Amino acid sequence: GNSVTQMEGPVTLSEEAFLTINCTYTATGYPSLFWYVQYPGEGLQLLLKATKADDKGSNKGFEATYRKETTSFHLEKGSVQVSDSAVYFCALPSQAGTALIFGKGTTLSVSS
Amino acid sequence: EAEVAQSPRYKITEKSQAVAFWCDPISGHATLYWYRQILGQGPELLVQFQDESVVDDSQLPKDRFSAERLKGVDSTLKIQPAELGDSAMYLCASSHRDRLYEQYFGPGTRLTVT
Repeated sequence: GNSVTQMEGPVTLSEEAFLTINCTYTATGYPSLFWYVQYPGEGLQLLLKATKADDKGSNKGFEATYRKETTSFHLEKGSVQVSDSAVYFCALPSQAGTALIFGKGTTLSVSS
Repeated sequence: EAEVAQSPRYKITEKSQAVAFWCDPISGHATLYWYRQILGQGPELLVQFQDESVVDDSQLPKDRFSAERLKGVDSTLKIQPAELGDSAMYLCASSHRDRLYEQYFGPGTRLTVT
């Protein structure tokens, strides 16, 4: 079935540093890909998505490009802020298409 | 902005007791999901409803877990009897029927079984 693998955390950065969180996937066909974010004490929320190969999703300064050649969807941000401290989840639809399959999550901690 | 409501936020119960969680999705969202999130892991689907019908409950431990969405609006997830291994965060999410993967999550219920 479909699956996703994220880099292990935690990731600790200083403010204004460059961020990359790696995500690779295994899937039948070319499903949509997603990044969700969970801020402390809150529910998950959709950060960005890409619906087909070579698409770039972007939101709040974060970007991720759907690369079918490397089956990857890495999350990047050029200059992180303290407020970006959260847990980030890569996700894709299940093979049955009924719901999302999430990665284990990567904790990002940004200090000033 | 509309939000998914869940209650309680925290629940501590003893092993073998019954426990129930409630979820009220965003108005107009036909699809409702219950996920379980173990500490350090991503959410895993327990059950998915489309209106009042179960679409997927293949990962729901049906010997002890039950879920209902009688009027196609709010939903209840029940565990009876609770086991130590059930300690986790229980998340409810909802989505529009045409945008299944753009899900809106509630804050979750943190369950601790002692």
